[in-house]
Amino acid sequence: GAVVSQHPSWVICKSGTSVKIECRSLDFQATTMFWYRQFPKQSLMLMATSNEGSKATYEQGVEKDKFLINHASLTLSTLTVTSAHPEDSSFYICSARDNRAAEKLFFGSGTQLSVL
Amino acid sequence: AQSVTQLGSHVSVSEGALVLLRCNYSSSVPPYLFWYVQYPNQGLQLLLKYTTGATLVKGINGFEAEFKKSETSFHLTKPSAHMSDAAEYFCAVSEDNDMRFGAGTRLTVKP
Repeated sequence: GAVVSQHPSWVICKSGTSVKIECRSLDFQATTMFWYRQFPKQSLMLMATSNEGSKATYEQGVEKDKFLINHASLTLSTLTVTSAHPEDSSFYICSARDNRAAEKLFFGSGTQLSVL
Repeated sequence: AQSVTQLGSHVSVSEGALVLLRCNYSSSVPPYLFWYVQYPNQGLQLLLKYTTGATLVKGINGFEAEFKKSETSFHLTKPSAHMSDAAEYFCAVSEDNDMRFGAGTRLTVKP
């Protein structure tokens, strides 16, 4: 079945540094990918919709300069948390829509970010 | 680690009929359980969630789900399907700092 690889699964960084998270569709092409954030014991929050070859669409309240999204190919989207601070510590998860069956969505395994 | 199984990748019902989408989970601790819906060309939307307390949880659009610990289930139901309910539905489990999703169930509603 279709697989979405998200890397890294865990990252610990110092405050002020930047962290890049990759979301890769392994056996299908995805023009559209989604980035979500989850705080402990809460539901997912959609951060942005990533579209290959164009600018991402950010949800209200999400800082686009803080969370940089690049969707440079049909199989890869990256989320960079710039100048990370402890309040950015969270679980980030991506999902990718299969171009062959646009209704079908596949999830990465998530990235736990801890900012010290 | 927690995991989720959604039984049936496709469910088809007639408009006005009962909707039942099945979800079973495994978790080493009392879980937090969620149902999400994805409409075409949109991101996920939270339907409902169970954290603690009452085991029957009511969500948006007339959906509800019941947490049954003995059966490790969290099935989603709606008494009467509407055409607008056609979508992909995802069950998810969270133990603390992460979330695991089922493979999704496509709901089709026939006129």
